[in-house]
Amino acid sequence: EDKVVQSPLSLVVHEGDTVTLNCSYEVTNFRSLLWYKQEKKAPTFLFMLTSSGIEKKSGRLSSILDKKELFSILNITATQTGDSAVYLCAVNSGGYQKVTFGIGTKLQVIP
Amino acid sequence: KAGVTQTPRYLIKTRGQQVTLSCSPISGHRSVSWYQQTPGQGLQFLFEYFSETQRNKGNFPGRFSGRQFSNSRSEMNVSTLELGDSALYLCASSLGYSDNEQFFGPGTRLTVL
Repeated sequence: EDKVVQSPLSLVVHEGDTVTLNCSYEVTNFRSLLWYKQEKKAPTFLFMLTSSGIEKKSGRLSSILDKKELFSILNITATQTGDSAVYLCAVNSGGYQKVTFGIGTKLQVIP
Repeated sequence: KAGVTQTPRYLIKTRGQQVTLSCSPISGHRSVSWYQQTPGQGLQFLFEYFSETQRNKGNFPGRFSGRQFSNSRSEMNVSTLELGDSALYLCASSLGYSDNEQFFGPGTRLTVL
């Protein structure tokens, strides 16, 4: 059975801190790894990673995938209160849209 | 471009009843996936439809079923509701290939009493 594990489950930081969220996976036929941000509504897409060692960046957020060690990290620098959310890691495996999600990391950024 | 829409947004049912949820994907998207989200289990995959065919299925009982219409709109049906079916049901649409990201709708909050 495909499995995606995220850590930590929750995190409280102060504005301006840098955080690293972890995602490890065990799936058959890996296709891509995705990161989503979920506030009190639908998850919104952040990154898709398919190749090992290639960093994806968007502003203060960045992510990298290690396909050999089967994990990914999501970094957020200079955190802001608007970054408070649940961050979801998901893996697309087995072709098409067979997606397994981790339980998420709840990030709270306090002023 | 309009996003993914789901109706209804909130629903209250009693045990034993059945329910039908609807999802309209982004225009041009042919794949619709359904997920159940609960605090303890996170997002769990129910099934995925592409061009009116179910391509993938998660580990849910047969009480959970779905279908997709020729315009790519999808419905999900849950029969004989149980208290444990209370959850946020999310649908996501995509172009349908493994390198396409999914875009989520706002979800339907189902409460079973």
